[in-house]
Amino acid sequence: EAGVAQSPRYKIIEKRQSVAFWCNPISGHATLYWYQQILGQGPKLLIQFQNNGVVDDSQLPKDRFSAERLKGVDSTLKIQPAKLEDSAVYLCASSLDDTRGSEQYFGPGTRLTVT
Amino acid sequence: KQEVTQIPAALSVPEGENLVLNCSFTDSAIYNLQWFRQDPGKGLTSLLLIQSSQREQTSGRLNASLDKSSGRSTLYIAASQPGDSATYLCAVRQQGTYKYIFGTGTRLKVLA
Repeated sequence: EAGVAQSPRYKIIEKRQSVAFWCNPISGHATLYWYQQILGQGPKLLIQFQNNGVVDDSQLPKDRFSAERLKGVDSTLKIQPAKLEDSAVYLCASSLDDTRGSEQYFGPGTRLTVT
Repeated sequence: KQEVTQIPAALSVPEGENLVLNCSFTDSAIYNLQWFRQDPGKGLTSLLLIQSSQREQTSGRLNASLDKSSGRSTLYIAASQPGDSATYLCAVRQQGTYKYIFGTGTRLKVLA
């Protein structure tokens, strides 16, 4: 079974530029999560999708971050414009569904450096 | 508001030692707790998932326990090996929101 795929693996941009990340979850997984992990910290949930609907985006900085999951499969996360403090690893995860017992599976992450 | 704490932040042990990693959470209204391993520059690998109705889960040399009423979970690693060196993270799934809240992790180094 293929795992969660993410691209690119690394990205370096200057502040005020825009960037987009892509995630393809495990086939058949209805729930998709985007996390931000700053160095030395645990992952922080940015947005959670159930199929193509948003379940939780309470910690997404909506003035600069946006995400979509068209057709309920793959997803993109965009930052526009980027700030220095956005430097982090962006992790995508998926789970079979949104039920209480569902296990999360993570992709390798995208390391973003904003200079 | 749920807060998840992991102590210690870092740990170095000689190879072969048995060790315990701790995870504490402030709100016992959880669905489950999941332990992950993260290698440098990599994503998270799921180790064990404990449902709120369970007391422990075992996989190979790993054993995770859950005491929901006291807000604690421990990850026990038997006969540690240098390959176990990584950061270990715990996450609780919050009732109601279904959101996962992560701890800051314990960075483990097993010395050969």
